[in-house]
Formats: sequence, structure tokens, C-alpha cells
Amino acid sequence: DAGVIQSPRHEVTEMGQEVTLRCKPISGHNSLFWYRQTMMRGLELLIYFNNNVPIDDSGMPEDRFSAKMPNASFSTLKIQPSEPRDSAVYFCASSLARLAGGSNTGELFFGEGSRLTVL
Amino acid sequence: AQSVTQPDIHITVSEGASLELRCNYSYGATPYLFWYVQSPGQGLQLLLKYFSGDTLVQGIKGFEAEFKRSQSSFNLRKPSVHWSDAAEYFCAVGPISGGYQKVTFGTGTKLQVIP
Repeated sequence: DAGVIQSPRHEVTEMGQEVTLRCKPISGHNSLFWYRQTMMRGLELLIYFNNNVPIDDSGMPEDRFSAKMPNASFSTLKIQPSEPRDSAVYFCASSLARLAGGSNTGELFFGEGSRLTVL
Repeated sequence: AQSVTQPDIHITVSEGASLELRCNYSYGATPYLFWYVQSPGQGLQLLLKYFSGDTLVQGIKGFEAEFKRSQSSFNLRKPSVHWSDAAEYFCAVGPISGGYQKVTFGTGTKLQVIP
């Protein structure tokens, strides 16, 4: 089975430009997470979707950041306009959430990340 | 609010030596605890997890971790480290009941293995 697929793997852009990061979760998973990793702040949860609905976006830094999940197999994280302090590795992860009477491993499956550099 | 502390930012061990990485958590109820490993340029991979039951859990690659409620700790151990274990290790805590799976990660411990 294919894992979580993220694109692009690397993105270099100039300040003020729009950046769109993409994620394809594992088929059958119903939860999707966007994390940001930096040396200073470690791994930060930006937003979490369950069944395509945003459940918790309290980690989204500001209005310049937006995330969508139009269907169960695709999500985007958009930064507009981008700033140098947005430079980081952005990870998408998916999992199968516990349902009543169902099973749940609790394991997050991570993509390989998108390394963003904003000049 | 849930939180995780990994007090060691960087650890160096000799190949073949034993390893213990520390993790302390803060959580208002019975925690779900995880250890993940990240190799350079890669995403995180689950090593092991604790939900309930036996407090000593076994994971992949010969790792184990022990949950100690009295100490709010979930330390990761390996009896004999291999050079391929060099990576960054993250402890995490989170609720995964009711379909809500917010997982909070520690800041990570970078492991260096020397010959």
C-alpha cells in the first residue's frame, strides 16, 4: 500500500508568493493532520481533520494559513502571502480514528514532508 | 493541557551500549503514549505505543518502553544500540478516544551512535 504522499518535497519561493502544499492520505484513513517542524519550535500541530471536516485549527498561525480537505483522498495547506518565518518542513499524517465499537491503533502515518524555504 | 518533556536534546552512545531516552508527560487522564523515530529527511515512524495493560511495551527494532504512572514517565530503552539507530526520537501523548486524536509531541532527542 502506498503511504501518505506529499508534494512538493521541496519548495523555494520568495516572500509574498502563494504556496500550496498537497497531501494524499492513506486510503481508508479518516483523520488527517498537518504538522510544521522547525528547529526552534519542534513539531507543531497546525490543523486536524476528521471525515474531511476541520476539527481543531487552533494551531494555524494566522490568517495567512488555510487548509482544505475537499474529499477523503486529498488535502491542501495554503500560505498566502508567504513570509521567511514560514520556512519549515510541513508534514501531513493520516490515521484511522476510533469509532464506537471499532478498533484504533492510534498510530499516525507520516508523509516524507515538504521542505519550504521562503526567501 | 497535555504536554510532553524530553529533557535530553542530544545523546551520544557507543555502538553496543545500552540506551535510555527520557520522556515525562502531563495529562489529566490516563494517557495514550507513543514513541516515534525520525531518520534524516524522512517522516516519523511509530516505534511503540501504550494504551493500557502491561506497563512494559515492546516495539519494533528491539525497542521497549516502560510506563510509570507515579513518575509520569514513559522512557524508551534498548539493550544494545546499533549504528542504524542514529536518528531523532520523539515521545508523544494524546487522547484518541471518541475519534479525537490530538497528539502532542515532545521536542525530540537526537541520538548519535559512535563506533
